[in-house]
Amino acid sequence: GAGVSQTPSNKVTEKGKYVELRCDPISGHTALYWYRQSLGQGPEFLIYFQGTGAADDSGLPNDRFFAVRPEGSVSTLKIQRTERGDSAVYLCASSYIGGGTYNEQFFGPGTRLTVL
Amino acid sequence: GQQVMQIPQYQHVQEGEDFTTYCNSSTTLSNIQWYKQRPGGHPVFLIQLVKSGEVKKQKRLTFQFGEAKKNSSLHITATQTTDVGTYFCAGALMQGAQKLVFGQGTRLTINP
Repeated sequence: GAGVSQTPSNKVTEKGKYVELRCDPISGHTALYWYRQSLGQGPEFLIYFQGTGAADDSGLPNDRFFAVRPEGSVSTLKIQRTERGDSAVYLCASSYIGGGTYNEQFFGPGTRLTVL
Repeated sequence: GQQVMQIPQYQHVQEGEDFTTYCNSSTTLSNIQWYKQRPGGHPVFLIQLVKSGEVKKQKRLTFQFGEAKKNSSLHITATQTTDVGTYFCAGALMQGAQKLVFGQGTRLTINP
């Protein structure tokens, strides 16, 4: 169907609060990725799901960050005890993993998180 | 950790001039991808290079992957205002690896 969707598009929260960011990938895409992009920087890898499991979570900065994908489709990125340094655009991407190395990633519009 | 560096950070050209951005990795890459991000938009896939010394063309865009698979370049011939945006390279360390390490991007602006 349509492309990758992310909600909310903007989230303003206070320091110390908990936030959830949602990603709805392209139908049929088995792989889902979360990135964080700060102003003037490239996307920074956070975590990658293949199906329901986190295949690589090496980019999560600390244990305040957690992500789930319980049914292998929609994913939620959860951030506890938010800090001002968490402010960024959080991008989600999905791809179809076939037999080869080709893995074009389709990005969503992102969620702009601002921690006051 | 693995780093992917891109230069220049910014490039301003007159419409019709050529543009090149360079990408260098501290380690050998399995493959490299290029993405374009328009102002206020999200990254959009342009191309993937896999083979050592590979060259691919898309109309006015030419992509190269170095012989050592540690560097890459994107060259745009005769820029147009539609080429405005930030161009990112993104490298995969291992074959089949899904984790991409993005460069910091080259922001291209064009004077019409």
